[in-house]
Amino acid sequence: ETGVTQTPRHLVMGMTNKKSLKCEQHLGHNAMYWYKQSAKKPLELMFVYSLEERVENNSVPSRFSPECPNSSHLFLHLHTLQPEDSALYLCASSQEGVPLQYNEQFFGPGTRLTVL
Amino acid sequence: KNQVEQSPQSLIILEGKNCTLQCNYTVSPFSNLRWYKQDTGRGPVSLTIMTFSENTKSNGRYTATLDADTKQSSLHITASQLSDSASYICVVSAGEYGNKLVFGAGTILRVKS
Repeated sequence: ETGVTQTPRHLVMGMTNKKSLKCEQHLGHNAMYWYKQSAKKPLELMFVYSLEERVENNSVPSRFSPECPNSSHLFLHLHTLQPEDSALYLCASSQEGVPLQYNEQFFGPGTRLTVL
Repeated sequence: KNQVEQSPQSLIILEGKNCTLQCNYTVSPFSNLRWYKQDTGRGPVSLTIMTFSENTKSNGRYTATLDADTKQSSLHITASQLSDSASYICVVSAGEYGNKLVFGAGTILRVKS
C-alpha cells in the first residue's frame, strides 16, 4: 500500500450521470494531483493542489471539476462525460518543499472509469 | 518540447532471463529521473531515482543507469520473475524545483514461465 487510497475502484456511468471520484492520502503530504491514464499514452496531469489551493489546471474540460476540502482529501466531480473520457484516473500526493530526491509522488490504485 | 520516449513498447521474456528497457528524454532543465513500476490494476510505484550526478542505482534485481550527456537511461532487470510482469514508466523531473514531471508512455513487460 502506498498510503493513497481511491474510491471507487471501478465506475461505469452514462453520459448524463453525475458522479464523484474520491482520493485520500495518509502520508501527511501537502500536495495532491489528478492524472488521466489512457492505454499506451503517457500519464496526463489534470490538476494540482498545493496547500489546498489549485495551482495547475492543464486545459481540462469543465465537465471535470476538482475539489480539495483539506490537505488529505481530493475529489474529482464528473458531469456529462464523453466516451473518450473512459480511462484510469490516478490520484497522487507528494510533499512540496523538500530536497528533490525526496519529492516523490505516491500514487493511489486508480479508478477505472467507463463512460457508456 | 519536453518529451520522454521509451522502448520497446512491449516485451515478452522467459522467466529467469534478463532484459533492458530504454528511456530517452529531451527535458530541460533536468532535475532527476525515476523509474516506476505499475502492476495491472494498481498505481505506479517508484523503483529508483537518479539525479544529474548519479549514473547507476540498484534496487534488488533492478539496476538503472543514467547518461546525462546523451540523455538516456536504462532499466536492467536481472533473473526475471513472473511478478516482474508490469508496465515500467520512465519519469523525468524538469524545472528548477523538479516539480514538473514528464512521463514516458511505458514499456509493458510480460514474463512467461
